[in-house]
Amino acid sequence: NAGVIQTPRHKVTGKGQEATLWCEPISGHSAVFWYRQTIVQGLEFLTYFRNQAPIDDSGMPKERFSAQMPNQSHSTLKIQSTQPQDSAVYLCASTISAEQFFGPGTRLTVL
Amino acid sequence: AQSVTQPDARVTVSEGASLQLRCKYSYSGTPYLFWYVQYQRQGLQLLLKYYSGDPVVQGVNGFEAEFSKSDSSFHLRKASVHWSDSAVYFCAASRTGGYKVVFGSGTRLLVSP
Repeated sequence: NAGVIQTPRHKVTGKGQEATLWCEPISGHSAVFWYRQTIVQGLEFLTYFRNQAPIDDSGMPKERFSAQMPNQSHSTLKIQSTQPQDSAVYLCASTISAEQFFGPGTRLTVL
Repeated sequence: AQSVTQPDARVTVSEGASLQLRCKYSYSGTPYLFWYVQYQRQGLQLLLKYYSGDPVVQGVNGFEAEFSKSDSSFHLRKASVHWSDSAVYFCAASRTGGYKVVFGSGTRLLVSP
């Protein structure tokens, strides 16, 4: 069991460019969560899927951010027209119950 | 609203000393409760969890936590800390049977030699 896999581990984009972050949940886990972590805001919930269906996206910024889970083996978080304030570590977690298993995160830096 | 509060942003203890990190929750009923640890530049790892039963739960690396319904608390303890315990610790809660977890703001622990 490789755990939750997130790629890339680090991504640097220019202001206005698009960034796509990938998450591969643990096989058999039915729910996938996305979080954003910064020094200032701490750990923020963004969105989650259960059985590939979007359940709660209340934490997603309404503009520029979108998430998908096209199949049970991966989810993507896309940020269009990235801004410096989007710089953060984006964490993905998967679960089959309440206990969440986290990936190592993708560190996004927007110049 | 459901919430988890960690009142101490930073805690410094000497190596070998005992530790308590505080956590208070606000939930209707009794939630599932968790402590996670995050080492530098890594994801969160589960230390321990409480679902029901014995209010004192044991976790990895000598950590334990005690659930108190009357106090709405779930404090984390360790009898003797090691320098490698330096990390950020998150308390978290979820509704019984639910998937979504609410995290506290975290407590950064520094263990000094």
